[in-house]
Amino acid sequence: GEDVEQSLFLSVREGDSSVINCTYTDSSSTYLYWYKQEPGAGLQLLTYIFSNMDMKQDQRLTVLLNKKDKHLSLRIADTQTGDSAIYFCAERPYNQGGKLIFGQGTELSVKP
Amino acid sequence: DSGVTQTPKHLITATGQRVTLRCSPRSGDLSVYWYQQSLDQGLQFLIQYYNGEERAKGNILERFSAQQFPDLHSELNLSSLELGDSALYFCASSAPSRDEQFFGPGTRLTVL
Repeated sequence: GEDVEQSLFLSVREGDSSVINCTYTDSSSTYLYWYKQEPGAGLQLLTYIFSNMDMKQDQRLTVLLNKKDKHLSLRIADTQTGDSAIYFCAERPYNQGGKLIFGQGTELSVKP
Repeated sequence: DSGVTQTPKHLITATGQRVTLRCSPRSGDLSVYWYQQSLDQGLQFLIQYYNGEERAKGNILERFSAQQFPDLHSELNLSSLELGDSALYFCASSAPSRDEQFFGPGTRLTVL
């Protein structure tokens, strides 16, 4: 089946690293995504990774993919108060057009 | 700003009514996606259109329908509205042969 799971909350101190985790069930997923949603706003695409990669780095963001365990993580280095938001992990199953399946979202709270 | 526009921003209506939500994709994007975000169901994929044709379908209710017009804008029609249809409705778009989906700001529908 298709299911994406995330922990609901994460609290960190400003300047620390944040790691947001996600597990998915569909081994045929082609791409995995991270989106950010601030209050009252739409979803902002942060980064995505192709399923045959195991790591992708983009400035303060590092995505790690463990395909065997179907585990995805997003590391934010030097977390700032402006990073406070809800972070969604999403998978794109194979052969279902562009359909994305989202997790419930992880609310990241950054304390000064 | 993702370049995807949605109107209206807010919509308040009564049960049993019908509404139309509108989406304009980013310039050059041929695919349009509709998603529903509600507190109990999270973010759910509804439907995808590619250059006017339906490409993929999610758990979209029979009371809901969508279309994509020759100028590539899309409309989502919701009829016989129920209280449970109250949600944020997002449109996203993507370019041909590209894997990123860019989301609009959403339309918040409230059914009273």
